[in-house]
Amino acid sequence: ETGVTQTPRHLVMGMTNKKSLKCEQHLGHNAMYWYKQSAKKPLELMFVYSLEERVENNSVPSRFSPECPNSSHLFLHLHTLQPEDSALYLCASSQDFKYGYTFGSGTRLTVV
Amino acid sequence: GESVGLHLPTLSVQEGDNSIINCAYSNSASDYFIWYKQESGKGPQFIIDIRSNMDKRQGQRVTVLLNKTVKHLSLQIAATQPGDSAVYFCAETLRNSGNTPLVFGKGTRLSVIA
Repeated sequence: ETGVTQTPRHLVMGMTNKKSLKCEQHLGHNAMYWYKQSAKKPLELMFVYSLEERVENNSVPSRFSPECPNSSHLFLHLHTLQPEDSALYLCASSQDFKYGYTFGSGTRLTVV
Repeated sequence: GESVGLHLPTLSVQEGDNSIINCAYSNSASDYFIWYKQESGKGPQFIIDIRSNMDKRQGQRVTVLLNKTVKHLSLQIAATQPGDSAVYFCAETLRNSGNTPLVFGKGTRLSVIA
């Protein structure tokens, strides 16, 4: 285990469903990230939270909604997704932005 | 139409040989670089890092070389083992310029032939 835990590991959802991805870090880090990794593109930064405030949102569609209730937890709420949203969603954390990220194992999402 | 998979550069190496994985980074101002390894079904894992005031750093069986003149980073793996089979990513950032997230390269798939 890396200290960053993501649940669920696998998720299959219909285009009309609403689901949430969860990330929890036990490293005392103050920054958390959501990345999308798909077959067509390598790691794409989606959202960045620093001290529980969103500091970056890389033109991500509104059907993805992040939430960071505290420095240890990060959620990605999903609704009305499209098949092209099928990908591996990775959560990472770091201390400030000055050091390497620690990644979770990801959630493999399939939208049908 | 059917989705086409991302065709990563692939390096095939015989077990026991040395591997060299290359990366061209984009920002000449970047001052901190990291190599990550991603095995199947897992997230990327930190391997080794290097600051821009260095041109070489060694770890256990791995060495990272930095050439700032041509914006090139390489990862050398000595005595490659089957467990080294994975996708390797380089990442860059500006540590001394505020909140700048890591920028990742496209990755190279290393296949070790037993």
